[in-house]
Amino acid sequence: NAGVTQTPKFRILKIGQSMTLQCTQDMNHNYMYWYRQDPGMGLKLIYYSVGAGITDKGEVPNGYNVSRSTTEDFPLRLELAAPSQTSVYFCASSPSYEQYFGPGTRLTVT
Amino acid sequence: AQSVTQLDSQVPVFEEAPVELRCNYSSSVSVYLFWYVQYPNQGLQLLLKYLSGSTLVKGINGFEAEFNKSQTSFHLRKPSVHISDTAEYFCAVTDNYGQNFVFGPGTRLSVLP
Repeated sequence: NAGVTQTPKFRILKIGQSMTLQCTQDMNHNYMYWYRQDPGMGLKLIYYSVGAGITDKGEVPNGYNVSRSTTEDFPLRLELAAPSQTSVYFCASSPSYEQYFGPGTRLTVT
Repeated sequence: AQSVTQLDSQVPVFEEAPVELRCNYSSSVSVYLFWYVQYPNQGLQLLLKYLSGSTLVKGINGFEAEFNKSQTSFHLRKPSVHISDTAEYFCAVTDNYGQNFVFGPGTRLSVLP
């Protein structure tokens, strides 16, 4: 039982490039989330999903897109990367209230 | 809209001393409250949660928290800390099943020998 896995662990992007951050959970949770964590700012919700085929925007969705074709996977797409997207990205899943987090992806845009 | 305030950004404490990390929230409806811990270069791990019932909640690693509705607080306490408790602690709130989680900015607990 791996829990929530994220790939890659680290990535450096040039301004304007695109990439997909992968997130997979094996706990059959309906709810999944994407957060970004900036120093001293806590976690900000980017997007969330309440089940396969259903997604909704969180607090800071601009510059990102998501899809949820299966219960297990919830990829986050960055289009036209900008320096402001330099951050640590966490994926989480939840059966109800408590969330289970992945180890994070550290992204640098230069 | 909900918000979470963690009044102390950093808390240094000596080993075996007690500690309290403060959390206040604002919400116009009933809330569900959580404390998470983040060790360096890791994801967040749930310490404890308040959903309903007893206002004193016990969690893992000897931590406990008390929900105080009149003061809109959910402070985290431990009677005797260890070096291994050094980490970042986040308070979080939601008022809606599975949606709209709001995290505080975090408190960095440093346990000194």
